Amino acid sequence: AQSVTQLDSQVPVFEEAPVELRCNYSSSVSVYLFWYVQYPNQGLQLLLKYLSGSTLVKGINGFEAEFNKSQTSFHLRKPSVHISDTAEYFCAVWNTGNQFYFGTGTSLTVIP
Amino acid sequence: DAGITQSPRHKVTETGTPVTLRCHQTENHRYMYWYRQDPGHGLRLIHYSYGVKDTDKGEVSDGYSVSRSKTEDFLLTLESATSSQTSVYFCAISESFRAEGYTFGSGTRLTVV
Repeated sequence: AQSVTQLDSQVPVFEEAPVELRCNYSSSVSVYLFWYVQYPNQGLQLLLKYLSGSTLVKGINGFEAEFNKSQTSFHLRKPSVHISDTAEYFCAVWNTGNQFYFGTGTSLTVIP
Repeated sequence: DAGITQSPRHKVTETGTPVTLRCHQTENHRYMYWYRQDPGHGLRLIHYSYGVKDTDKGEVSDGYSVSRSKTEDFLLTLESATSSQTSVYFCAISESFRAEGYTFGSGTRLTVV
C-alpha cells in the first residue's frame, strides 16, 4: 500500500520568513500529488496539485511545490509567510489504484 | 465548501447508541466519500459511493455502514457507537473518479462518551 510521510508534525516560523513543508511518498509508480490546507474548524481546500508536466507546480496563496521523482518527494514552499497561513497542511497521493492516501499533516504556525 | 453540507456539525452520543451523519450536495456529482480524521493518522477513507445505491468499503469501514438513496445525500451510520469512533468526519464529493475534483465538507465532530 501507498504511504505518505510528512516529516514535520509542527513547523513554527516567523512572519515574512520562508517555509518548507516536507512530504515523501513510498512508491515511484505513476502517482498524482496534492497539497491541501485546513483552516480551523473547516474542511480541506486544495492548494495545488501535480498531475504531469512541469515538476514545479504553483498553487494558491503564493505556495509552490516541486515534484522530485528520484527522491519520491513533493515539498511545499512559500518564500514569505503571513499570519493567515497558519493552518494544517496535508500532503496526499493518488495512485493508479484509484485511492487517495493522506499524510498525517503538518501544523504551520506563523509567529508575528 | 460551497455545494456540500454536513449535518450535524457537532454531536455527543453515548456508547452503544446508533448515530447517523448526513452529507448533502447540490453539485449533482456522482462520487461521494466519507473520511475520518484523527491525530497522527491524517484522513482515512471509510466508505465511498459511485452512484445511487452503489457503495464500496474503504480502508477503515468496520463498524460503519452507508446508504445513498438519492444522488444528493450520502448517509454514514454507526450502528453501535464506540469510543474509538470519536473523530472528525469529513464528506467529500467529486464529479469523476479522479483525485483532482474532490471538494470537502466542513466536517462533523463526533464524540462518543
